[in-house]
Amino acid sequence: EPEVTQTPSHQVTQMGQEVILRCVPISNHLYFYWYRQILGQKVEFLVSFYNNEISEKSEIFDDQFSVERPDGSNFTLKIRSTKLEDSAMYFCASSTGVGDGYTFGSGTRLTVV
Amino acid sequence: DQQVKQNSPSLSVQEGRISILNCDYTNSMFDYFLWYKKYPAEGPTFLISISSIKDKNEDGRFTVFLNKSAKHLSLHIVPSQPGDSAVYFCAASVETSYDKVIFGPGTSLSVIP
Repeated sequence: EPEVTQTPSHQVTQMGQEVILRCVPISNHLYFYWYRQILGQKVEFLVSFYNNEISEKSEIFDDQFSVERPDGSNFTLKIRSTKLEDSAMYFCASSTGVGDGYTFGSGTRLTVV
Repeated sequence: DQQVKQNSPSLSVQEGRISILNCDYTNSMFDYFLWYKKYPAEGPTFLISISSIKDKNEDGRFTVFLNKSAKHLSLHIVPSQPGDSAVYFCAASVETSYDKVIFGPGTSLSVIP
């Protein structure tokens, strides 16, 4: 069964450093998303991406965040200068956009120290 | 602003019995609803969805009921199995816009053998 792959599974970084979280969505999917879940809290929408541009973003997704689809297969989330409160599980998801639900990756646990 | 609410953070059910997970929403623009299941250290997995033109959708042991006038939906699992123990997220979107799905805070279901 096709799956969304995320790397790394766990990333530890120092506050102020840049991190790039990587995702390989399902190949025939057209919509891509990043969500995050801070420990003990709900899954929060960050950004959606379609047709090589951001289609929607939340208030969490400020100037520190950016997304890119550099080569037609990878979908990356960059956090420019990490803060302690960026520590969370980051989930990538993709969909065909026809209402069959998203397929999520297994997440990257980001720990900012 | 919690647009999707799951007021029960946890639920315990005996194996073989029915599990009923509830969800309420506030945004009347939502017309597509989904349930996801999440195990620890994994991404959410799509379970079942329902469009607002229906009031019931069934898939094996899982049935979702939608009451549009009450802005309420529920997920029924019959019979419950120990492997169903997980966090269940209710989610909602505007079907014509696949830009984002809003998740509820989740209900942790424990099925006791």
